[in-house]
Amino acid sequence: EPEVTQTPSHQVTQMGQEVILRCVPISNHLYFYWYRQILGQKVEFLVSFYNNEISEKSEIFDDQFSVERPDGSNFTLKIRSTKLEDSAMYFCASGGGTGEQYFGPGTRLTVT
Amino acid sequence: SQQGEEDPQALSIQEGENATMNCSYKTSINNLQWYRQNSGRGLVHLILIRSNEREKHSGRLRVTLDTSKKSSSLLITASRAADTASYFCATEANDYKLSFGAGTTVTVRA
Repeated sequence: EPEVTQTPSHQVTQMGQEVILRCVPISNHLYFYWYRQILGQKVEFLVSFYNNEISEKSEIFDDQFSVERPDGSNFTLKIRSTKLEDSAMYFCASGGGTGEQYFGPGTRLTVT
Repeated sequence: SQQGEEDPQALSIQEGENATMNCSYKTSINNLQWYRQNSGRGLVHLILIRSNEREKHSGRLRVTLDTSKKSSSLLITASRAADTASYFCATEANDYKLSFGAGTTVTVRA
């Protein structure tokens, strides 16, 4: 069964550094998403992406964040200058347009 | 906010028993989805119910939706130890983003 995959599974970075989180959505899906879950808190929407552009973003998704679909398979989330409060589990999800969103296993980002 | 809120926060049951959890939300939705998360792992999609549907089944799962009360329930029948996890409802309006609740932690005792 097709799955969303994410790399790396765990990323440790120093405050102020740039990180890129990578995702490979399910191959025939057209809608892509990033969510995050701070430890012990709710899963929060960050951004949705369709037709090579951002379709919706939350207040969390400020100028420090960007997304890209550099080729036909990858979907990336970049954080330009990480802060301590960016430490969280970041989930990528994809959907085929029927409403269901399928999530990857997540990347645990630790900012020190 | 249209976030779903689950009730109860935690549930402990004996293997073989049924587990029921509820979700309430605040605004009109397009669909409501239930997810399972094992500790520290990813979110597994369980079932989606659309606003014009009242009940759906998938294996041992039964989901109901009452849009007049803005609530949904997830029933897991004949629970197994492997059902131990956190369960989240997530609502979607016509904006393609999911709003998650805080989840119900289910422990199934052998």
